[in-house]
Amino acid sequence: SAVISQKPSRDICQRGTSLTIQCQVDSQVTMMFWYRQQPGQSLTLIATANQGSEATYESGFVIDKFPISRPNLTFSTLTVSNMSPEDSSIYLCSETQGTEAFFGQGTRLTVV
Amino acid sequence: AQSVSQHNHHVILSEAASLELGCNYSYGGTVNLFWYVQYPGQHLQLLLKYFSGDPLVKGIKGFEAEFIKSKFSFNLRKPSVQWSDTAEYFCAVNPYTGGFKTIFGAGTRLFVKA
Repeated sequence: SAVISQKPSRDICQRGTSLTIQCQVDSQVTMMFWYRQQPGQSLTLIATANQGSEATYESGFVIDKFPISRPNLTFSTLTVSNMSPEDSSIYLCSETQGTEAFFGQGTRLTVV
Repeated sequence: AQSVSQHNHHVILSEAASLELGCNYSYGGTVNLFWYVQYPGQHLQLLLKYFSGDPLVKGIKGFEAEFIKSKFSFNLRKPSVQWSDTAEYFCAVNPYTGGFKTIFGAGTRLFVKA
């Protein structure tokens, strides 16, 4: 199993501002993933954060809006830039061991 | 593109009723299959998984799922639900492409009446 810690657990932000979410895992992993879970919907993969290279973004997500850092094998950040109310969501960090995914508690973001 | 379809968005059952949640995926290759559960206010956790072998897999809390390759299905079952099973259930697929991306279904919100 894995222990994944995310900070902050929740935040309320003004539109137009940016928020950086931190994710710390308790073991070294090659790939970390960032998901978004909008109200009443399932998890949508935003990007794969690879250590030592740029993140790989899924269709509909761009680096300018969701820049990701991956400075080492246990840490990653996701920034939600120039926020609008449509960005209100739960953002989840994940890592896989084998193919089983483990998740952090998530960051509940509300944009007002 | 790969996708996962869950047949029911909301299910309401009485305690001791039987449960079956449908899940179908679209991917022609080898896949790993999962059911995750999210209890109110808690994070996602793994309920059970299928990688290979016996297509009937048993998970925690009395849940089981059956992989039917010909139907691209991985339905979740429990013979007798409890109030504590109230949660959201997500079917997920990890196509064995080496990318380790997990693709989730829309989720089924289960409410069990005491």
